[in-house]
Amino acid sequence: DVKVTQSSRYLVKRTGEKVFLECVQDMDHENMFWYRQDPGLGLRLIYFSYDVKMKEKGDIPEGYSVSREKKERFSLILESASTNQTSMYLCAIRQGATDTQYFGPGTRLTVL
Amino acid sequence: GQQLNQSPQSMFIQEGEDVSMNCTSSSIFNTWLWYKQEPGEGPVLLIALYKAGELTSNGRLTAQFGITRKDSFLNISASIPSDVGIYFCAGPNTGNQFYFGTGTSLTVIP
Repeated sequence: DVKVTQSSRYLVKRTGEKVFLECVQDMDHENMFWYRQDPGLGLRLIYFSYDVKMKEKGDIPEGYSVSREKKERFSLILESASTNQTSMYLCAIRQGATDTQYFGPGTRLTVL
Repeated sequence: GQQLNQSPQSMFIQEGEDVSMNCTSSSIFNTWLWYKQEPGEGPVLLIALYKAGELTSNGRLTAQFGITRKDSFLNISASIPSDVGIYFCAGPNTGNQFYFGTGTSLTVIP
C-alpha cells in the first residue's frame, strides 16, 4: 500500500511566521505534489516536484516555496504566513507506472 | 487548472438507496480516478480505471470508464450512513498534473 504522511494534522500560526509543512512517502515515487483545498474552490496545485531538487510551479505558487532534498520528502514553505493562507493543505504522490495519485491525510493550517 | 464537470453537485438519499454520479471532460483521459473525502481528511482513492469501457468494482462501489474516454461514472449500491462524504473524480493530463472534478456531496439519511 502507498503511504503518504504529513507532519502535522493541525497547525496554528501567527501572521508573518515562517511555516514548514512536510510530506514523506515510503515508495520511492518521483512525482510529489502540494495542493491547497478551500470550500468552493476545490483542489488547487501549488507546486510539484518530479525529482530531487526539481520543482515546477502550479496554479497558485505565490507566497509559497518548496524544497526536495531527498526523494522521499517534499516540504512546503510559507515564507511569511498570511491569513489568506488559512486552508487545508494536501500532499500527494503520483505512482508513475499506473498514473494514479495518492494523497496524505492533510494539514489544516490556521493563520491568525 | 482545468476542472472536470461532475454531477450532481449534491445528493440527499435514504439509507439503502443506490447512488449514481458522473464526470465529464472536454478532453480524452487514459486514466480515471475516483476518490472519497470525509471532513478534515485527505482524499482516499476508491477506484482507478485504466481502459476505455472498463467496469471495476470495490465492494458496493462500481465505476466505469466511458467508451469515448471523456467520461466516467460511479455507482454506490445500497448506501449506508458511512458513505457520507464528498466524492470526486480525477484524471492525469499529458504533463505531470491532474484535473479534478468539482465533487459530489453525499448525505445519507438513516
